[in-house]
Amino acid sequence: DVVMTQSPLSLPVTLGQPASISCRSNVSLVHSDGNTYLNWFQQRPGQSPRRLIYKVSNRDSGVPDRFSGSGSGTDFTLKISKLEAEDVGIYYCMQGTHWPITFGQGTRLEIK
Amino acid sequence: EVQLLESGGDLVQPGGSLRLSCAASGFTFSNYAISWVRQAPGRGLEWVSGISGSGTTTYYADSVRGRFTISRDNSKSTVYLQMNSLRAEDTATYYCAKGEYVAGTSYWGRGTLVTVSS
Repeated sequence: DVVMTQSPLSLPVTLGQPASISCRSNVSLVHSDGNTYLNWFQQRPGQSPRRLIYKVSNRDSGVPDRFSGSGSGTDFTLKISKLEAEDVGIYYCMQGTHWPITFGQGTRLEIK
Repeated sequence: EVQLLESGGDLVQPGGSLRLSCAASGFTFSNYAISWVRQAPGRGLEWVSGISGSGTTTYYADSVRGRFTISRDNSKSTVYLQMNSLRAEDTATYYCAKGEYVAGTSYWGRGTLVTVSS
């Protein structure tokens, strides 16, 4: 199975400051169809996961533009330009290029 | 409005069976793949199974293959997860999620809790 490694696992950030989460895979996530199936999810306390980013850098409808995704191959990043209180939660990356689908361990984002 | 409503979660003894349902509304159901993803208490996310929009293609995690069966009834806009030979490690909240493809998982339901314990 593809191993997805996130860092850091815990991220305290001051309101208004940027935040960055890394996600690395042990194999390339470039599919034979040319797409890279790397998604980012947010899970607020007590809620279901919500997809923020799909195929590395495409923001889902309704997701604030302070969220951005980047990367290629095996190295990916989720960035929040200015942290807001509602961004607190756990963030997961997920790869869908190789079966089975696998998730990163999650990064807990909190207010410093 | 897109809605996914999971049901069927319960307390079951090890070795027992359970069938989960995921009832959908607000979109053209047969155009979308559905996945089941679980989350053990206090733990991360684990993809369990997925099915294509037509129902012709199914996928399973190794941890559940041979014990769980995913299916769908497009006339009822519902996906099912039949879970047999349940183990304590299957205890989790089970979410269903829709996507343009199985790995899309663009929208998630609220989940249903399965507890396997004697």
